Amino acid sequence: DAKTTQPNSMESNEEEPVHLPCNHSTISGTDYIHWYRQLPSQGPEYVIHGLTSNVNNRMASLAIAEDRKSSTLILHRATLRDAAVYYCILRDVGGAQKLVFGQGTRLTINP
Amino acid sequence: EPEVTQTPSHQVTQMGQEVILRCVPISNHLYFYWYRQILGQKVEFLVSFYNNEISEKSEIFDDQFSVERPDGSNFTLKIRSTKLEDSAMYFCASSWERGGTDTQYFGPGTRLTVL
Repeated sequence: DAKTTQPNSMESNEEEPVHLPCNHSTISGTDYIHWYRQLPSQGPEYVIHGLTSNVNNRMASLAIAEDRKSSTLILHRATLRDAAVYYCILRDVGGAQKLVFGQGTRLTINP
Repeated sequence: EPEVTQTPSHQVTQMGQEVILRCVPISNHLYFYWYRQILGQKVEFLVSFYNNEISEKSEIFDDQFSVERPDGSNFTLKIRSTKLEDSAMYFCASSWERGGTDTQYFGPGTRLTVL
């Protein structure tokens, strides 16, 4: 799986939007961009994934750059419950089943 | 909403003892996984399991580890002779499909403490 780069930590305020960046300059054409998060003392949790087009679901939006070398996870209105470590992971459509977790971005939400 | 469950939530054992960690994946899922997370470190893949056999394993998953799906619902991880360095959170996960579009659903984890 190709490598991703994320900031170690970010901070935001409650009820404000949060943009979490991820760089993946060596992404291949068949790599999907996945985001997972891990709330304190819990297992990882799927957030969203996409290939080329921007994606929205009930949890978040995923904005993918036109050249696919970077992406941004957008939490539209952060709550205290969104404080977690967020992982950006590339997955090849025909590749290994395992998820390869990096260090992720630790998101702190201020009340 | 269906969820992955794991038991026990916390297991304390003596070094050299055998432990079995149990998981009940989501019922219609076909792919099963174990990951672990040593305190303060990254989540690490251990093993994936499909069609009653191991499909992939990491270097961590040595001969001390084994996995089994003894019936239609449970998925277990056995550590034959635990070492101090096996102390970690162990997460079970399951998914319906594999590859780029699959979503893995994780359980809450079992905290294993080896004394």
